[in-house]
Amino acid sequence: NAGVTQTPKFQVLKTGQSMTLQCAQDMNHNSMYWYRQDPGMGLRLIYYSASEGTTDKGEVPNGYNVSRLNKREFSLRLESAAPSQTSVYFCASSDLRWNTEAFFGQGTRLTVV
Amino acid sequence: AQSVAQPEDQVNVAEGNPLTVKCTYSVSGNPYLFWYVQYPNRGLQFLLKYITGDNLVKGSYGFEAEFNKSQTSFHLKKPSALVSDSALYFCAVREESGATNKLIFGTGTLLAVQP
Repeated sequence: NAGVTQTPKFQVLKTGQSMTLQCAQDMNHNSMYWYRQDPGMGLRLIYYSASEGTTDKGEVPNGYNVSRLNKREFSLRLESAAPSQTSVYFCASSDLRWNTEAFFGQGTRLTVV
Repeated sequence: AQSVAQPEDQVNVAEGNPLTVKCTYSVSGNPYLFWYVQYPNRGLQFLLKYITGDNLVKGSYGFEAEFNKSQTSFHLKKPSALVSDSALYFCAVREESGATNKLIFGTGTLLAVQP
């Protein structure tokens, strides 16, 4: 059972470079999320997609864009990476209902130098 | 807007002793509350959730949590801690409102269980 799959697992970027983090889920979930995890800050919501065809900003959307490609896939793009975007990024998915838990991928460790 | 607070950055407990990891929340509607655990270099794993009904919720690995509406709290508990429980614990809240189902997390509490 794959669950939520993120690629890549590790990435080093130079300031100003762009990249896309990929996320796919095989649980037929409607909702998908992108979080970043920083020491002392917990998990902060970047963007989420309640259902296919919709995306909304979370707590820290600046510097990021997302695409809900289809029901399975939700990508996160950094157009011009900055050192402040050095973080661990997690993708998650859940059913649309409010009372359901989310399932997480293993994370992408991104370093911007 | 919904929010959740974990007032302790770290909780230290001896193996065999009871443990409590605190969480308080703020929502304007009905809260849906969750606890997750994260082991080093891993993603988050779901432990338990409160939806409605019994205020004491039982979850994985012997953990339980008590929902207290008057104190807006959802503390995680375990009667007897194990060294293997040492990990980072996150509380999360989802607010029942509108068409969105945002899931908001706290800052996390590091649980250290000493042998």
